[in-house]
Amino acid sequence: ILNVEQSPQSLHVQEGDSTNFTCSFPSSNFYALHWYRWETAKSPEALFVMTLNGDEKKKGRISATLNTKEGYSYLYIKGSQPEDSATYLCASLEYGNKLVFGAGTILRVKS
Amino acid sequence: EAGVTQFPSHSVIEKGQTVTLRCDPISGHDNLYWYRRVMGKEIKFLLHFVKESKQDESGMPNNRFLAERTGGTYSTLKVQPAELEDSGVYFCASSLGTEAFFGQGTRLTVV
Repeated sequence: ILNVEQSPQSLHVQEGDSTNFTCSFPSSNFYALHWYRWETAKSPEALFVMTLNGDEKKKGRISATLNTKEGYSYLYIKGSQPEDSATYLCASLEYGNKLVFGAGTILRVKS
Repeated sequence: EAGVTQFPSHSVIEKGQTVTLRCDPISGHDNLYWYRRVMGKEIKFLLHFVKESKQDESGMPNNRFLAERTGGTYSTLKVQPAELEDSGVYFCASSLGTEAFFGQGTRLTVV
């Protein structure tokens, strides 16, 4: 059984703060790790797909790292803005298996 | 290129009625997933098709739910008879390789 865990469950920060979340996943048979941004009433939007140990990806103020040996990924947001408020989901994909999501981290950025 | 499309976007039905949700994946995507998010909770996996075959249906809650994928193209998810606890947003995603793309979801309300 594949368990993907995310922490913290929710986070409230001030505009301009930098923040990070954690996603842990079983490292055996790993294939890919996905990060999604999900705003209320919309469908999840893909942020990153990472496959290689040590991968580091960046998109504007958001970046992510991947450690497949120990089974974790970090998502960083630099200088949070109110429009960053959303639920951030990670999902792990094993070879030949399903995509399993974590419970998500809810981020609220106050102006 | 068209993305993943789901129909209807909203459905309100009475307890005991039948509802059929449809998902059209991106053309050529062999993998098709169904997920459900019940009010305020995490996204839960329902099932995974590879082409027309059910690869994993371990997340289907009970035998009131029936999913099909005719000819490996579009998929339907039928709920019969619907219960109050079936209310939520049903998402479909498709993928060919490592990246999954989501539809806009169908919001189902059972009253």
